[in-house]
Amino acid sequence: RKEVEQDPGPFNVPEGATVAFNCTYSNSASQSFFWYRQDCRKEPKLLMSVYSSGNEDGRFTAQLNRASQYISLLIRDSKLSDSATYLCVVVKVGDDKIIFGKGTRLHILP
Amino acid sequence: SQTIHQWPATLVQPVGSPLSLECTVEGTSNPNLYWYRQAAGRGLQLLFYSIGIGQISSEVPQNLSASRPQDRQFILSSKKLLLSDSGFYLCAQTTLRGNTIYFGEGSWLTVV
Repeated sequence: RKEVEQDPGPFNVPEGATVAFNCTYSNSASQSFFWYRQDCRKEPKLLMSVYSSGNEDGRFTAQLNRASQYISLLIRDSKLSDSATYLCVVVKVGDDKIIFGKGTRLHILP
Repeated sequence: SQTIHQWPATLVQPVGSPLSLECTVEGTSNPNLYWYRQAAGRGLQLLFYSIGIGQISSEVPQNLSASRPQDRQFILSSKKLLLSDSGFYLCAQTTLRGNTIYFGEGSWLTVV
């Protein structure tokens, strides 16, 4: 089983729709969780950290379920500028190794 | 504040030539440092990570190597590049307990 797995995508979604991304991780000792977005030919940019209590930033909501080892990202009222690849990122306790999911590509359609 | 820089940003190298990508960190000490590669249309693959000077862990056996000659310097090298080495190389750094990740700007390597 891969350490971090994401929906394969791509997701083609009309502008204004709600999009949900899912991610599972295999190491229960993982300690930090993030969603990053990566635009073509650029380095990843932090979208938001993910906490057990859930967190929201404008149109974006992230959730962490430690019992199920599951992370989600919800984008409401999607914009054309949301088109990118979304990466689930997990940092393992102890060695602080950063593990990336393969990413889910999102295309917002006008 | 912490910053991380890598260079060069882009390079085109012939097959069989050597490679050296450099990454430096400012504003922190004893960082954990990482090198990733992303081939076209693929995810980020962890190549090497380092928890201290001279301490390198290799994740994927290949013709690349990494060195950490100083606390805040991480170098990715190859003696002879292959066509399959083409891709986007990314240096990253975590803070204590991995609560924050900093990325370099990335380096695009094309092997011809």
